[in-house]
Amino acid sequence: EVQLVESGGGLVQPGGSLRLSCAASGFTFSSYEMNWVRQAPGKGLEWVSYISGSASTIYYADSVKGRFTISRDNAKNSLYLQMNSLRAEDTAVYYCARAGHGSGSWYEFDPWGQGTLVTVSS
Amino acid sequence: EIVMTQSPATLSVSPGERATLSCRASQSVSSNLAWYQQKPGQDPRLLMYGASTRATGIPARFSGSGSGTEFTLTISSLQSEDFAVYYCQQYNNWPPYTFGQGTKLEIK
Repeated sequence: EVQLVESGGGLVQPGGSLRLSCAASGFTFSSYEMNWVRQAPGKGLEWVSYISGSASTIYYADSVKGRFTISRDNAKNSLYLQMNSLRAEDTAVYYCARAGHGSGSWYEFDPWGQGTLVTVSS
Repeated sequence: EIVMTQSPATLSVSPGERATLSCRASQSVSSNLAWYQQKPGQDPRLLMYGASTRATGIPARFSGSGSGTEFTLTISSLQSEDFAVYYCQQYNNWPPYTFGQGTKLEIK
């Protein structure tokens, strides 16, 4: 069974840092592009970051560029999101999501993890 | 950045009836459009990709159509488990991937 399990969320003060992890199982992790997507309380979905299978290509949303760093360890089947200089508006559930069924450069997200809550507050 | 606009924001439908949800892109996304279902406290679940291909395990009462800038998700006969929030997402021109703001499907 394909599974993604996030961890590392919690309460952090503005300006602080947090590192999220996503443990993958049930598929060849290194073969898949991965993403982080967040959802603020009561709001919609916002894409945060993308990383290719080899980690050679990385993209960020403008809202997190320069503050967040995505990475992966294919030997450990794990995806990470290092979040620095956190702001109140970063408060959200953070999901990791795998590239799905598409082809070429066009993939939807499937599956998603259950999410981990990050709360930025003093 | 491609802006995705869903309508209506809230749709009230009785069980057994048909529901039609719309998604519009600010520019063509070809057929690179996905639909997700999200229930309270749960992660999003892929329903449809390529605008009209049902994901694994998705019942046949769900269908998707459209290409370019106009897309529709139809649920032919609503079951109690279908009441949720639905999001569309374009993956044609990225980064960034962009989502619609969601349509809440509620029981009438």
